[in-house]
Amino acid sequence: GDSVTQMEGPVTLSEEAFLTINCTYTATGYPSLFWYVQYPGEGLQLLLKATKADDKGSNKGFEATYRKETTSFHLEKGSVQVSDSAVYFCALSDPFTGANSKLTFGKGITLSVRP
Amino acid sequence: KAGVTQTPRYLIKTRGQQVTLSCSPISGHRSVSWYQQTPGQGLQFLFEYFSETQRNKGNFPGRFSGRQFSNSRSEMNVSTLELGDSALYLCASSLLGGGQETQYFGPGTRLLVL
Repeated sequence: GDSVTQMEGPVTLSEEAFLTINCTYTATGYPSLFWYVQYPGEGLQLLLKATKADDKGSNKGFEATYRKETTSFHLEKGSVQVSDSAVYFCALSDPFTGANSKLTFGKGITLSVRP
Repeated sequence: KAGVTQTPRYLIKTRGQQVTLSCSPISGHRSVSWYQQTPGQGLQFLFEYFSETQRNKGNFPGRFSGRQFSNSRSEMNVSTLELGDSALYLCASSLLGGGQETQYFGPGTRLLVL
């Protein structure tokens, strides 16, 4: 079945460090790909998305490119801030219907940024 | 515009009991999805409701059920609770649940089964 694999965490970085969080997926169709972020005590917020191969999603300094050849959607940020500390989830939509209402998530990774 | 709201936020139950959780979507949204989040299994899709009909279903036992009302509010019910049902239950809403839409998540209901 469809699945998302995220790198093991947690990740601890110093402020202004470069961030990469790896995400690979397995899907039989053509899903859209997402990064969601969860701050403590809150629900998930959409960070960015890409709907087809070679699309780049970007938001708040974060970027991720939909790489079909490597089935990857790695999240990057050039300079992290303390406020970026949260749990990050990679997800894909239903690859057959394209519906974003049925998402498959990775396990999530906790990012801590120290001043 | 108010976000997705979930009630209650916290709940403690004992094994064998049943529980009902409520989700009010963003005004105008007709698709409501439910997810279970646990440390071991992560985030897993439970089901989706659209126009009062279950449109998608995940791989959960029949003890997990849901419904949607004409105002798009949704409830999920878990019967005969087990310890493993302890989790954060998240609901998300979108306009129609379609491919280009963003799902907006609520803060979740944290259920503890003793």
